Amino acid sequence: SQTIHQWPATLVQPVGSPLSLECTVEGTSNPNLYWYRQAAGRGLQLLFYSVGIGQISSEVPQNLSASRPQDRQFILSSKKLLLSDSGFYLCAWSGAPGLYEQYFGPGTRLTVT
Amino acid sequence: AQSVTQLGSHVSVSEGALVLLRCNYSSSVPPYLFWYVQYPNQGLQLLLKYTSAATLVKGINGFEAEFKKSETSFHLTKPSAHMSDAAEYFCAVSRAGGYQKVTFGIGTKLQVIP
Repeated sequence: SQTIHQWPATLVQPVGSPLSLECTVEGTSNPNLYWYRQAAGRGLQLLFYSVGIGQISSEVPQNLSASRPQDRQFILSSKKLLLSDSGFYLCAWSGAPGLYEQYFGPGTRLTVT
Repeated sequence: AQSVTQLGSHVSVSEGALVLLRCNYSSSVPPYLFWYVQYPNQGLQLLLKYTSAATLVKGINGFEAEFKKSETSFHLTKPSAHMSDAAEYFCAVSRAGGYQKVTFGIGTKLQVIP
């Protein structure tokens, strides 16, 4: 069966510091991968998606970036965090054509101080 | 373009009462529809999905939803609420295509009163 991991689970970082969140998927190959941010009362905001290694699409301009160095690894980064980057970050994957649902990881709670 | 509207950001029900969470969608093509549940500080878990087969869809934990094209609705129901159903519920819409963008509603927090 497929599983998705995210780490760290929680993170407290000062403004201006760098960020690296990692997501890995097991049990599937060539998944579509997604990064979302969830802020209180605002639902899920799609940040990035990737349909293959090195292929990244950005949905919202911001000071975050994403990379996919391996088929089942997705990384969210920032060079300098802002207070507004605080939130709950979720990674998700979806599978082969015809399987339209997305499956989510456990999330990372980021607090920028 | 596609969107979903969840009516009621907070819903309270008594334990044992009917749960009804409302979702209306907008889509220019036949949609695929989903309901997800999120417990505090956890990821989203898929409850059920509609992908153009049966209009009444049964999911996990006793939940079901009915696709009504004429009303553009996909409401989530459960006959009898349990305390463990207290969580946030998200309706979502997608469509066929190589890249499956999913659009989520803003969520409905369900409170179950003992």
